[in-house]
Amino acid sequence: AQSVTQPDIHITVSEGASLELRCNYSYGATPYLFWYVQSPGQGLQLLLKYFSGDTLVQGIKGFEAEFKRSQSSFNLRKPSVHWSDAAEYFCAVGGSGGSNYKLTFGKGTLLTVNP
Amino acid sequence: DTAVSQTPKYLVTQMGNDKSIKCEQNLGHDTMYWYKQDSKKFLKIMFSYNNKELIINETVPNRFSPKSPDKAHLNLHINSLELGDSAVYFCASSHSGDFTDTQYFGPGTRLTVL
Repeated sequence: AQSVTQPDIHITVSEGASLELRCNYSYGATPYLFWYVQSPGQGLQLLLKYFSGDTLVQGIKGFEAEFKRSQSSFNLRKPSVHWSDAAEYFCAVGGSGGSNYKLTFGKGTLLTVNP
Repeated sequence: DTAVSQTPKYLVTQMGNDKSIKCEQNLGHDTMYWYKQDSKKFLKIMFSYNNKELIINETVPNRFSPKSPDKAHLNLHINSLELGDSAVYFCASSHSGDFTDTQYFGPGTRLTVL
């Protein structure tokens, strides 16, 4: 069965600092990986996704993620965080669940940005 | 223009009641989903419909019944509400039922069962 682990429940960074959010996945075949962001009181929005090809994926809002098969990781990065990036971040893996396709989400990492 | 909308945004009710949450998408997508986000922010899929047909039905109590009158709408009806049903329920849609498609989420419905 597919699963996602986000080891950090809560991360605090200063505005302008770099950011890395960790994500580890478990999946028997080639994974399809996603990062979503949830701003307070809002639904989830896709930041980026990886299916194949270049292991460094660029997304919206200046985010990028790197797929490392050897480490079963798909960490999200941003070189300089803005106050508006404060939100909950979810990593997800896509794959077949029986005969159906579904996304399995991690438990999220809450990002706080200090001025 | 709102892509995926849900009503109501907040729902407070007593145990044992029956309630419905409505979802509509104006993206022309074929597939719609219901997710449940618990108090620890864990997000889990409940149902998925493709062109009004049920394609994903996770282990959800029979008290939960999705209904899709057309491919732009997916409503969630919950019978005999229990305390454990308190959560935020998200509706989402995607172009097709393939998980590689981007899913677009609604703003959520916060259900509180007293």
